[in-house]
Amino acid sequence: QSALTQPASVSGSPGQSITISCTGTSSDVGGYKFVSWYQQHPGKAPKLMIYDVSNRPSGVSNRFSGSKSGNTASLTISGLQAEDEADYYCSSYSSSSTLEVFGGGTKLTVL
Amino acid sequence: QVQLVESGGGVVQPGRSLRLSCAASGFTFSSYGFHWVRQAPGKGLEWVSVMTYDGHNEYYADSVKGRFTISRDNSKNTLYLQMNSLRPEDTAVYYCARAFMTMVTRSLGYWGQGTLVTVSS
Repeated sequence: QSALTQPASVSGSPGQSITISCTGTSSDVGGYKFVSWYQQHPGKAPKLMIYDVSNRPSGVSNRFSGSKSGNTASLTISGLQAEDEADYYCSSYSSSSTLEVFGGGTKLTVL
Repeated sequence: QVQLVESGGGVVQPGRSLRLSCAASGFTFSSYGFHWVRQAPGKGLEWVSVMTYDGHNEYYADSVKGRFTISRDNSKNTLYLQMNSLRPEDTAVYYCARAFMTMVTRSLGYWGQGTLVTVSS
């Protein structure tokens, strides 16, 4: 069982917007502004899409945005494109002895 | 450009040991924290371990604590993961990842291509 809870799957049509949630506790997501989001295509290494809740690394499309409310962080992808179909993972700094925790991942299907 | 290349994976019997390496290039190695993250076949990402940029602190997932040891050699720009007492459930692709920013460990900004470890008799 993963430390952070994500929906197993979400789907949307091209052009639409989708949101993926990531729920933790006050010891991780809720306690710090240190949530990250990663995109992983099959057979590839993960790619950082969002860091520190809502910041995008250089080169990441502005269609990707992040936010947080309480113990839940969210990734929103607007203007869905076929190439967005992938697995998405959240992670957070944790004050526990493990320091970093991941979500179980969400499979995004572009219909 | 930033490059991380893992090596050392392979097939190993339960109870045996293996050491993974991650050779880094394209940046100042000693300024960054590094993680190991694994992914079992068909499963999600599982964080394994992290070492701070200065090598003073290391942390482990409960599932590997006491069996795995992370280390770094700044003179060789290389990160290591010593894995002892391996179990079948340790079977996974192991990724080396660098923190996105200097002197912190959060946000895994760059990842290697991964190395497959298979624990089987």
